[in-house]
Amino acid sequence: AQSVTQPDIHITVSEGASLELRCNYSYGATPYLFWYVQSPGQGLQLLLKYFSGDTLVQGIKGFEAEFKRSQSSFNLRKPSVHWSDAAEYFCAFAIQGAQKLVFGQGTRLTINP
Amino acid sequence: GAVVSQHPSRVICKSGTSVKIECRSLDFQATTMFWYRQFPKQSLMLMATSNEGSKATYEQGVEKDKFLINHASLTLSTLTVTSAHPEDSSFYICSASQRWGGTNEKLFFGSGTQLSVL
Repeated sequence: AQSVTQPDIHITVSEGASLELRCNYSYGATPYLFWYVQSPGQGLQLLLKYFSGDTLVQGIKGFEAEFKRSQSSFNLRKPSVHWSDAAEYFCAFAIQGAQKLVFGQGTRLTINP
Repeated sequence: GAVVSQHPSRVICKSGTSVKIECRSLDFQATTMFWYRQFPKQSLMLMATSNEGSKATYEQGVEKDKFLINHASLTLSTLTVTSAHPEDSSFYICSASQRWGGTNEKLFFGSGTQLSVL
């Protein structure tokens, strides 16, 4: 079945520390991959996406993600988090050529001062 | 950048009434819009795909008669929750697809609507 798994429901890191949010997908081919951020009561904002090419993708707000085909993963990273990064993060994929997104369960990020 | 406007942002209604949620693409034409539902602390689940001028395509398990979707123009799609019940309380989000140049495409999300049915 086609699915996205975010193993960590909730992560807490200290401000200034590095961050990695995990995402694994299950699909027969390479899908289009996305990371979105959602602040409380808000819609979704696209952080970055991978379609093809360079497997290390740079996004907004200092985030990056690396696509690893062998591990079916697309982990999100940030070298130094800020208090404003506290939010819910969703990994998603779209089947190539399709527009529908399949979302992971989300990871809630809490930042300690 | 492209903007998708979703209204209302929050609505409280009585059980048995109907609620309409609007999703507008403000500066582009969206031939396709999507409606998602998000339960508290859970992921977004696609409810339906809305194509301008045609009937919406609903995902398995979504009641077509309860969640009426209309996409009458290239910039507006509406979701009407009919005869709402407390279990319909949820966060509803729309997204609109912008296409150009034959192969380019972007998805933009609205800010969501929090529906509370009393």
